[in-house]
Amino acid sequence: TQLLEQSPQFLSIQEGENLTVYCNSSSVFSSLQWYRQEPGEGPVLLVTVVTGGEVKKLKRLTFQFGDARKDSSLHITAAQPGDTGLYLCAGPNNDMRFGAGTRLTVKP
Amino acid sequence: KAGVTQTPRYLIKTRGQQVTLSCSPISGHRSVSWYQQTPGQGLQFLFEYFSETQRNKGNFPGRFSGRQFSNSRSEMNVSTLELGDSALYLCASSLGAGRASGNTIYFGEGSWLTVV
Repeated sequence: TQLLEQSPQFLSIQEGENLTVYCNSSSVFSSLQWYRQEPGEGPVLLVTVVTGGEVKKLKRLTFQFGDARKDSSLHITAAQPGDTGLYLCAGPNNDMRFGAGTRLTVKP
Repeated sequence: KAGVTQTPRYLIKTRGQQVTLSCSPISGHRSVSWYQQTPGQGLQFLFEYFSETQRNKGNFPGRFSGRQFSNSRSEMNVSTLELGDSALYLCASSLGAGRASGNTIYFGEGSWLTVV
């Protein structure tokens, strides 16, 4: 059982659509991070959320940390093919624990 | 500044052999962590080194080992390779050790290991 559960596992959408992916846990985290990993490369940090209820925006990406600091969401507005990749959430737990990821494909 | 560098990028080994992977962290970073990534299990933590000392270890068999040198460069070794060891091995570096402090970790591009 993953400490961090991500959903959906796979998502395929058309360019211009909006989407939300989720990261849930039964544990409280001091912070959560979101990464994007493209094929053949290592994960790249997108954002770190620290405060319960915090919302951070990165261009068309909006990240939210749950009030209880057990969950987080990533919303992408008007998705583009360049958003294609594996989106991973991660939280500190002695070591850094990762969810299994959401594999997003945005078709032109 | 240069990112995390991992070598080799790709390698093929046969069952029973051993392999050594190398990681050079970002200059000034003293913490190096290793992860195994497979389609079925996702990113799994192997171990973390800080100032040449192993600080933390994941749930992997003793065939997986690592070390860190005084210049913060790190190596990981897998002995008696099994087919299931085929994976992308990722190295990540950060300024400090420990995750509760929220240190940002930076990943290398990984080493693709195929065991045949």
